[in-house]
Amino acid sequence: ETGVTQTPRHLVMGMTNKKSLKCEQHLGHNAMYWYKQSAKKPLELMFVYNFKEQTENNSVPSRFSPECPNSSHLFLHLHTLQPEDSALYLCASSQDRRVIYNSPLHFGNGTRLTVT
Amino acid sequence: GQQVMQIPQYQHVQEGEDFTTYCNSSTTLSNIQWYKQRPGGHPVFLIQLVKSGEVKKQKRLTFQFGEAKKNSSLHITATQTTDVGTYFCAASLWEGGGNQFYFGTGTSLTVIP
Repeated sequence: ETGVTQTPRHLVMGMTNKKSLKCEQHLGHNAMYWYKQSAKKPLELMFVYNFKEQTENNSVPSRFSPECPNSSHLFLHLHTLQPEDSALYLCASSQDRRVIYNSPLHFGNGTRLTVT
Repeated sequence: GQQVMQIPQYQHVQEGEDFTTYCNSSTTLSNIQWYKQRPGGHPVFLIQLVKSGEVKKQKRLTFQFGEAKKNSSLHITATQTTDVGTYFCAASLWEGGGNQFYFGTGTSLTVIP
């Protein structure tokens, strides 16, 4: 399934670096999400955008900064991360959750982030 | 606290044996979704259950939603090596004046040929 594309696939960065993760969806969806997946933990919702507006921020540290310029693109800007931020970061999209709150999520392949 | 509990965390089965994973909540759920994540892959949507007592089948997979809408199960009959992966439930529940969506911790299935 190539409906949601994430780049890069792998990223290694130092704690003082600044980097960005990119997500693009070709499914015509209006909602986009960032999830963090760590070993032995449930998928953690970080941010939700619906029609480019941020509708959820689940107490995510400010070293993670999302950006959604349009309904098809989503970025996650990273700066001064900690080693415990190492994880798989998954982007997902769905139909407008205001209309279809239980719309299935379509995930990208994720970015495997390692903070050294 | 954890809203959605999923058990077991790991399951090893011989190819051909059956497999079941359970998803439980103390709160009544609006609906539940199931996803499969292959090793090295991303979660892929399998199915959604909405009605109390609902049962849906996809070939060898049977999905059930409890009568009280507080639990769900995924059963695989006669497992195959292609079933290897982690199975997640994702529950939607009414909380704080809106619908909140929680993933379970997942059940990692290993199928031994």
